[in-house]
Amino acid sequence: AQSVTQLDSHVSVSEGTPVLLRCNYSSSYSPSLFWYVQHPNKGLQLLLKYTSAATLVKGINGFEAEFKKSETSFHLTKPSAHMSDAAEYFCVVSDMKRANTGNQFYFGTGTSLTVIP
Amino acid sequence: DSGVTQTPKHLITATGQRVTLRCSPRSGDLSVYWYQQSLDQGLQFLIQYYNGEERAKGNILERFSAQQFPDLHSELNLSSLELGDSALYFCASSGTGQINQPQHFGDGTRLSIL
Repeated sequence: AQSVTQLDSHVSVSEGTPVLLRCNYSSSYSPSLFWYVQHPNKGLQLLLKYTSAATLVKGINGFEAEFKKSETSFHLTKPSAHMSDAAEYFCVVSDMKRANTGNQFYFGTGTSLTVIP
Repeated sequence: DSGVTQTPKHLITATGQRVTLRCSPRSGDLSVYWYQQSLDQGLQFLIQYYNGEERAKGNILERFSAQQFPDLHSELNLSSLELGDSALYFCASSGTGQINQPQHFGDGTRLSIL
């Protein structure tokens, strides 16, 4: 069963318009959730994390995400896209069950964001 | 800059050869993770070490091995290389490996098998 589902493999927005990257997760335990960004030929950079504190999490570069337990979602948003936001974005779930059975961090398949000038 | 250093950045070798990838974690981090990223498989967790001991194993082939040394740097050894091993190999580190701690990634080693 999928642990993390990124609902869109590609998202295209115009510069200055809002960004929405969708992520749904499955976890029977209290999960920690993360969003990472990967620019071409670079490593993954942490954007933000949710670890059972405030459900609305603010990250770097104007991104934020809201943890909705009832919907098992952790969508990433930004009010106004910038050209430099074009990259691959990964949603990640981590929980104790996964940590005890090996693969602690479970990555989604990624969403490629294109920003049109 | 994540503070995680990986060397070399690029590696080109031939089938059947053996290579070693090196990772220095962020200062103070005890846990090191290795990942493989390829176009067809996406990001695959390989193995985790914590303070010198293997903690978790993922989709790591028997031809691959890793270790973490007393100074906490880690090495990933890939042997009997095949064309399909061509990929980006990432190292990440975290403080103690707890589930609520983010992992910090290096820039990766791009391995090309000819």
